[in-house]
Amino acid sequence: ETGVTQTPRHLVMGMTNKKSLKCEQHLGHNAMYWYKQSAKKPLELMFVYSLEERVENNSVPSRFSPECPNSSHLFLHLHTLQPEDSALYLCASSQVRGGANYGYTFGSGTRLTVV
Amino acid sequence: RKEVEQDPGPFNVPEGATVAFNCTYSNSASQSFFWYRQDCRKEPKLLMSVYSSGNEDGRFTAQLNRASQYISLLIRDSKLSDSATYLCVVNPLGGYNKLIFGAGTRLAVHP
Repeated sequence: ETGVTQTPRHLVMGMTNKKSLKCEQHLGHNAMYWYKQSAKKPLELMFVYSLEERVENNSVPSRFSPECPNSSHLFLHLHTLQPEDSALYLCASSQVRGGANYGYTFGSGTRLTVV
Repeated sequence: RKEVEQDPGPFNVPEGATVAFNCTYSNSASQSFFWYRQDCRKEPKLLMSVYSSGNEDGRFTAQLNRASQYISLLIRDSKLSDSATYLCVVNPLGGYNKLIFGAGTRLAVHP
């Protein structure tokens, strides 16, 4: 399998549920990201991992918890979400070299609905 | 001021038309620039990188003006399949791990 794979594609969860989003990249990239895209809004950066180390956390509520066990896998653990958290969650990977970012490859996203 | 600003559109053009999108960015030290395309309810996909000398890929031409902090995308001979949202993307200096996305410009090509 190639590229960036995200599962599940769709998720409906109640506000008291716990679920996890999974992302896997087969591109040999050294950085991975979680983005949130709400309707009619630009992409919002949530977390950045470089070489499995979290290098950025953009003031994301603690009900979102990322995990990067190795350079190919990224998880987003969800707990006690709110309806306003309903959005498209996109994982991306990129190769960062010499201080330059060579562009992202995105997964297909998980469309999350919180009820 | 937003880090990356785009006209949201929509741009409604007939097939065969030439259309141009503009984008401005606020960080003068930004070092990499891209255009992404996003279809409705799909993930963004890299359309092309933007180089200082300008670059062309078929019907698409991208230009960068560092002095004015301005990026453009020109689409010639528009096709129905070009209908999408076009995202202007910037890699800020010192933020090499991340890209900043504009809100996108919507293009609708009609027969």
